[in-house]
Amino acid sequence: DIQMTQSPSSLSASVGDRVTITCRASQNVNYYLNWYQQKPGKAPQLLIYAASTLQTGVPSRFSGSGSGTDFTLTISSLQPEDFATYYCQQNHANPTFGPGTKVDIK
Amino acid sequence: QVQLVESGGGVVQPGSSLRLSCTGSGYGFSQYGMNWVRQAPGKGLEWLAVIWYDGNNKYYADSVKGRFTISKDNSKNIVYLQLSSLRAEDTAVYYCARHVDGGASTWFDPWGQGTLVTVSS
Repeated sequence: DIQMTQSPSSLSASVGDRVTITCRASQNVNYYLNWYQQKPGKAPQLLIYAASTLQTGVPSRFSGSGSGTDFTLTISSLQPEDFATYYCQQNHANPTFGPGTKVDIK
Repeated sequence: QVQLVESGGGVVQPGSSLRLSCTGSGYGFSQYGMNWVRQAPGKGLEWLAVIWYDGNNKYYADSVKGRFTISKDNSKNIVYLQLSSLRAEDTAVYYCARHVDGGASTWFDPWGQGTLVTVSS
C-alpha cells in the first residue's frame, strides 16, 4: 500500500493567517491526490482534486500544488469556518488517506 | 442535488453480521462507482472498498478482505456493505462516498452523513 504522511499533525493559527499543510506519498501518485476538510461530527468534504483543482463552491483562498510524491494545501487567509481537520488522499492505487492535520484557533 | 444517505448501523455483538446501505439520489446512480470509508472514534479515515459503476469490479482493503462484501443494485440506487465476523476494532462511523473518475485523477464526492456501527458485548 502507498503510505501517506502529513505535517504538521496539528497547528494553531489566527484568523487571517496563511496556513500551509504538506502531504507526502511513499511512492509516485502522479496527480491522484485529493484534499478533504472535515469538521467535528460531520462527513469529509472535497476541497481539491487532482492535486490542484478547486472543487466547485470551495473558496479561492484554498489552493493545492504538487505532483509525484510531495503536495501542499495552502489557505491564504484563514477564516473562522476553516478551523477543521484536513486530510490528503491518494487514489493512484488502493486509496489511502493521510493521518490528518487539525487546524485550531490560536 | 446529489445526495447519499447511509443506514443500517447499530450496536452488535462481536462475531455478528450487519448490512449497511447507501442510497443515492440526484444523479445517474448507475454511471458512478461507490466507496465505503470508515472512521473509528477520534481516528482518521480508512478506505474499505470500492465497487465499479456496473457492479462488475470490486476491490477491498486488506484489513477487511474476506469479511466485508460490497454490492450494488442499480435498479434501487443502493450500494450495500455486508459486514461479517465483526470485532471491537470495527467500531466506527461508516461513510459511503461517490467515486468520480476525471480521467487523469479520481476522487470521492460527495460523502454521506455516515452511520455508526458499535461492536460490543
